[in-house]
Amino acid sequence: AQSVAQPEDQVNVAEGNPLTVKCTYSVSGNPYLFWYVQYPNRGLQFLLKYITGDNLVKGSYGFEAEFNKSQTSFHLKKPSALVSDSALYFCAVRPNTDKLIFGTGTRLQVFP
Amino acid sequence: DAMVIQNPRYQVTQFGKPVTLSCSQTLNHNVMYWYQQKSSQAPKLLFHYYDKDFNNEADTPDNFQSRRPNTSFCFLDIRSPGLGDAAMYLCATSRDPGRGEKLFFGSGTQLSVL
Repeated sequence: AQSVAQPEDQVNVAEGNPLTVKCTYSVSGNPYLFWYVQYPNRGLQFLLKYITGDNLVKGSYGFEAEFNKSQTSFHLKKPSALVSDSALYFCAVRPNTDKLIFGTGTRLQVFP
Repeated sequence: DAMVIQNPRYQVTQFGKPVTLSCSQTLNHNVMYWYQQKSSQAPKLLFHYYDKDFNNEADTPDNFQSRRPNTSFCFLDIRSPGLGDAAMYLCATSRDPGRGEKLFFGSGTQLSVL
């Protein structure tokens, strides 16, 4: 079955430190890959996506993600975390001809 | 700004009393989605419209129905809400998901069932 895994329910990081939120997937073909962020009581907001091309994708709010085909991973990163980055992050994968599959989400907590 | 608007933000209904949630978009996107999200879990797709074509997910209960009278509006009807239907309901749109276009989400409607 096709799936998306976010192995960490929560990631804690100090403000100013780099952060990584992990995502791996198991789908056939060459899927489209996405990261979305959700702030409390809000809908999801698009951060970035990978379709093709350069493996390092830059997105909104200083976030970036690295696509690794051999490891089927698409980890979200930011060089220097802000307290305001604290939110729920969802990785999502779209197989070429099918609907979006969301991961279970990772709560990012950035401490001052 | 062009956006996806959901009304109301909070909806309280009684067990078994029909309720309708609404979504409108100014993006003129072909595709509109309804997701159900419980307690910070992953959003679960209920159904989507590609233009007027309705696509129901296999595990969406019959209790959930949808209407899309025109490009801009889409409604979610819950015919007889149960306690288990309390959740955040998210509407989203996309121009061309087959080309990797992103989804635009509304702010959601938080449904409580008493």
